[in-house]
Amino acid sequence: KQEVTQIPAALSVPEGENLVLNCSFTDSAIYNLQWFRQDPGKGLTSLLLIQSSQREQTSGRLNASLDKSSGRSTLYIAASQPGDSATYLCAVASGANSKLTFGKGITLSVRP
Amino acid sequence: GAVVSQHPSRVICKSGTSVKIECRSLDFQATTMFWYRQFPKQSLMLMATSNEGSKATYEQGVEKDKFLINHASLTLSTLTVTSAHPEDSSFYICSARDAGRGGETQYFGPGTRLLVL
Repeated sequence: KQEVTQIPAALSVPEGENLVLNCSFTDSAIYNLQWFRQDPGKGLTSLLLIQSSQREQTSGRLNASLDKSSGRSTLYIAASQPGDSATYLCAVASGANSKLTFGKGITLSVRP
Repeated sequence: GAVVSQHPSRVICKSGTSVKIECRSLDFQATTMFWYRQFPKQSLMLMATSNEGSKATYEQGVEKDKFLINHASLTLSTLTVTSAHPEDSSFYICSARDAGRGGETQYFGPGTRLLVL
C-alpha cells in the first residue's frame, strides 16, 4: 500500500527566502507525482506534474524534482512571497488512470 | 479552461437528514470523477471513483449505502450523504478527469464544507 509522507507539517519563513518542501513515498513504482496548493477552505490547484520518467519540472518560481528510486520529491520555491502562504500537498499515482494517494500537506507561512 | 464547480460550498444540516452535493465539469467532459473527504490537517482520502453511466467504485471502508454516488452525465456527478451524523462533518472535494486531454490530470472542485448538528 502506497504511503505518502510530508515533513514537517508546518513551516514559517521570512519573505524572500528560498525554501524546499519534501515529500516521500514508500512504493517507487509510481506513474507520476503531482504537487498541489490548497488555500484555507478551498479546493486544490495543481502546480506541477512530474512523470515517472522525468527528473524535474519547472513553472515560474517553482521547481519540482523527482528521485523515484529513493522515493522522494522536493518542491523548491524561489524568493518566497507572502502570497505563497498555503498548504502544499504532494500526491502520487501508480498508473495512468489510477487514484491519487496524498500526503497530509505542509502548511507554509511566509512572513512579510 | 478545465474548471470544476461544486454546489453547495457550505451546508449545515440536522442529524438524520440527507444532503446532496453536486460536482460539475464546466468546460470539459469528464468520464471519471472522484470524491474525496478531508478532515482538518489531514490528507485527502479517496471515497469513491465515479464513472459516467455505471456504478461507482468505493474504497475500502466507505459505506456505499450511506454515500450514494450518481454520475448520470459527462459533466455532473452527485454525492448524497444519507442519514447524516455529526461524524460525517467534513470537507468533501470532487475532481474530474478531462477525457479530451488524455485523462491523466485531475481538476479539483472548490470543496463543500458539511456540518452536521
